[in-house]
Amino acid sequence: DSGVTQTPKHLITATGQRVTLRCSPRSGDLSVYWYQQSLDQGLQFLIQYYNGEERAKGNILERFSAQQFPDLHSELNLSSLELGDSALYFCASSKGFDGNTIYFGEGSWLTVV
Amino acid sequence: GNSVTQMEGPVTLSEEAFLTINCTYTATGYPSLFWYVQYPGEGLQLLLKATKADDKGSNKGFEATYRKETTSFHLEKGSVQVSDSAVYFCALSARTGTASKLTFGTGTRLQVTL
Repeated sequence: DSGVTQTPKHLITATGQRVTLRCSPRSGDLSVYWYQQSLDQGLQFLIQYYNGEERAKGNILERFSAQQFPDLHSELNLSSLELGDSALYFCASSKGFDGNTIYFGEGSWLTVV
Repeated sequence: GNSVTQMEGPVTLSEEAFLTINCTYTATGYPSLFWYVQYPGEGLQLLLKATKADDKGSNKGFEATYRKETTSFHLEKGSVQVSDSAVYFCALSARTGTASKLTFGTGTRLQVTL
């Protein structure tokens, strides 16, 4: 158990809908990262937050947004969903922002039908 | 930009065979290097890491040495078990200002048979 908690573990939704994925980082970790794992794109970095502030942005679509709250949990919002958004979404956390040791949650499986 | 190249899989070995999964990287500065493992139906687990040149990371019988001169971080294990069957990802972490991110290779699937 990495200590990073993600909910929900699985969800199925229709195209055009909006979903929110939630992540609780390890105790004491201030950085939260979101990654997408799909068959065709592999593991892609989406976004990083550190202590509530956005620190780095990767290949995150404009239809996607994220935030980190004062209690350090984070949410990834995916809207206007398309079939191609079906993927495993990982949250990860680390103590600092240097990314020296990053621990991953078990992921949220999103299926868009 | 930063990138990680892993050997293509799948790699199929018999139990107790020697394992090598090659990983090379391209990065500016001095990245940290990692191996993550993903067992079937599960998330990513940190297997081992090395933060500077010539460091050796090791865990569960796996080891990898950070080789700056060859920009490599090959994963090895002397005797694999069926339970090692999984997908292995090589990754680097590079800090840019006050941010950082992991860049992953494409993953190498290992299948160990009896």
